[in-house]
Amino acid sequence: AQSVTQLDSHVSVSEGTPVLLRCNYSSSYSPSLFWYVQHPNKGLQLLLKYTSAATLVKGINGFEAEFKKSETSFHLTKPSAHMSDAAEYFCVVPLSNTGKLIFGQGTTLQVKP
Amino acid sequence: DAGVTQSPTHLIKTRGQQVTLRCSPKSGHDTVSWYQQALGQGPQFIFQYYEEEERQRGNFPDRFSGHQYPNYSSELNVNALLLGDSALYLCASSRTEFYGYTFGSGTRLTVV
Repeated sequence: AQSVTQLDSHVSVSEGTPVLLRCNYSSSYSPSLFWYVQHPNKGLQLLLKYTSAATLVKGINGFEAEFKKSETSFHLTKPSAHMSDAAEYFCVVPLSNTGKLIFGQGTTLQVKP
Repeated sequence: DAGVTQSPTHLIKTRGQQVTLRCSPKSGHDTVSWYQQALGQGPQFIFQYYEEEERQRGNFPDRFSGHQYPNYSSELNVNALLLGDSALYLCASSRTEFYGYTFGSGTRLTVV
């Protein structure tokens, strides 16, 4: 069965410092993987997606993620955090041939001035 | 170009009542999925509609039902509301293929 595990429920960084949000996946084959962001009282916005092309994926707002099959990981990074990055982040895997998205539990990113 | 529109944005209902939530998909999208997001949790898949039929269903009781209209808009109905149904209900639309979902801002349902 496919699943994702977000290793941190809460991450706090200072503005201008790097961001690392960790996600491990479980799948019997190389899956597609997404990162979504949810700002307070807003819907979900797609940050980036991996679909078995390049393993380093660049997304919006300076975020990127690297698919590492050997580590079954898909961690989200950003070199320099902005105050506007404070939000909830979800690692997501689509269940093959169903259209169903499996969400991780989410990581709350706090950015301190 | 409007994205996914959900209505209402907030709703308060009494336990035992019935509720209908509405979703208009993004222009050009024909598939609508519904998710329930409890406080502090990731969204959980309820069901997906395509060509006016329920194509996939998650682990939700029959109290949760839906409908899709010829213009691709969709409704989520919940009967016999329980306190545990209090959540943010998200609608997502796509163009048949699975990787182009656009989410709405959701409907916040509170059951008292």
